[in-house]
Amino acid sequence: DAGVIQSPRHEVTEMGQEVTLRCKPISGHNSLFWYRQTMMRGLELLIYFNNNVPIDDSGMPEDRFSAKMPNASFSTLKIQPSEPRDSAVYFCASSFARYQPQHFGDGTRLSIL
Amino acid sequence: QKEVEQNSGPLSVPEGAIASLNCTYSDRGSQSFFWYRQYSGKSPELIMFIYSNGDKEDGRFTAQLNKASQYVSLLIRDSQPSDSATYLCAVKTSYDKVIFGPGTSLSVIP
Repeated sequence: DAGVIQSPRHEVTEMGQEVTLRCKPISGHNSLFWYRQTMMRGLELLIYFNNNVPIDDSGMPEDRFSAKMPNASFSTLKIQPSEPRDSAVYFCASSFARYQPQHFGDGTRLSIL
Repeated sequence: QKEVEQNSGPLSVPEGAIASLNCTYSDRGSQSFFWYRQYSGKSPELIMFIYSNGDKEDGRFTAQLNKASQYVSLLIRDSQPSDSATYLCAVKTSYDKVIFGPGTSLSVIP
C-alpha cells in the first residue's frame, strides 16, 4: 500500500514568492497533520485536519501560512509571501484516527533565499 | 518546563549493548505514548506505542511506562549500528494534543 506522498521533495525559491506544498494521505486515514522540523525547534505541529475539516491550527505561525484539505486524498500547505526563516523540512502525516500512530511522508525540504 | 523532555544526547553505546532512551512529560493526564525513529535526512517512523503502565516488548525493543513518575523509556537490546538514529518520544496529552519531544541522538559504535 502506498504511504503518505508529498511533493515536491525539494523546493528552493526566493523570498517573497508563494510556496505550495502538497500531500496525499494514506487511503482510509481520516486524520492529516502538517509539521515543520528545524534543528532549533524540533518537530512542530502546524495544523491538524479530521475528516477534511481543520480542527487545530494553533501551530500555524503567521497569517502567511494557510492550509486546505478539499477532499480526503489531498491537502496543501501554502506560504505567501515566503521568508528565509520559513526554511525547514515540512512533513505531512496521516493516521486512521487522531490518536492512532501517525505515518509520515518523506517531507519537503524548503529553502527560501 | 517543556511538555515533553528527552536527553538530547548524543548517546553512544557499543554494538551489542543495551541502549536506554528516556522521556518525561508534564501532563499527568497523558494517555498514549509513542516512540519514533528518524534517520538523518529521513522522516520519522513509528517503532513502538504504549498505553498502559508496565512493559511492552517487540523484538529487540521494549517500551516502559510509569504514569506515576510521568516517565516513558525505550530499551534497545543487542544494539546494532543500524539503530543509530534520532529517537523521538511523542505523548498524547489530556488536552487533545500530541506533543513530540526534541529527540535523542543514538550512536551505536561497531
